[in-house]
Amino acid sequence: KDQVFQPSTVASSEGAVVEIFCNHSVSNAYNFFWYLHFPGCAPRLLVKGSKPSQQGRYNMTYERFSSSLLILQVREADAAVYYCACGAAGNKLTFGGGTRVLVKP
Amino acid sequence: DTGVSQDPRHKITKRGQNVTFRCDPISEHNRLYWYRQTLGQGPEFLTYFQNEAQLEKSRLLSDRFSAERPKGSFSTLEIQRTEQGDSAMYLCASGQRDGDTQYFGPGTRLTVL
Repeated sequence: KDQVFQPSTVASSEGAVVEIFCNHSVSNAYNFFWYLHFPGCAPRLLVKGSKPSQQGRYNMTYERFSSSLLILQVREADAAVYYCACGAAGNKLTFGGGTRVLVKP
Repeated sequence: DTGVSQDPRHKITKRGQNVTFRCDPISEHNRLYWYRQTLGQGPEFLTYFQNEAQLEKSRLLSDRFSAERPKGSFSTLEIQRTEQGDSAMYLCASGQRDGDTQYFGPGTRLTVL
């Protein structure tokens, strides 16, 4: 069965680096996508790809079946749900259950 | 703002009623996707269109669900004879045929009483 796995919660302190690990068993999926979701808003793409990538404070590591999202210098405002998704170009995405990031001041 | 829009944002209905949701994609995007998200879960794929053609449907999409994209622009998702298990957030996303980024709308939250 095609599945994506990620932890339900990650807690950190302000200013630290938060790492969210994701792995999958999705056939034919070679891209990872990391989305940020605040309640009531549209999920927003942070970083994506089939190789290590960085967008601002967001770093993505890449292995064929796993990826980590690293949030550098995490802030209280980063407290939200982060989704890992896998897919191939133009095709459907398979999402994990989401990771709630908690940030202690 | 030229992002993906969805209407309505919230819908409350009684069991057995029909409901219809609308999605307006980013104008130059030829692919449009529908996902469903239940509480505490990630979005699950329902179906997608390339222009007006419906190319794939999930097994989650029972015969009570129908989606259309008649002119290759906006799309509608209809649920007939709603059940309490249909209560969820329905998300729409759009993208380019050869691209891999899907841009999401804010969703329509359906509550079936």
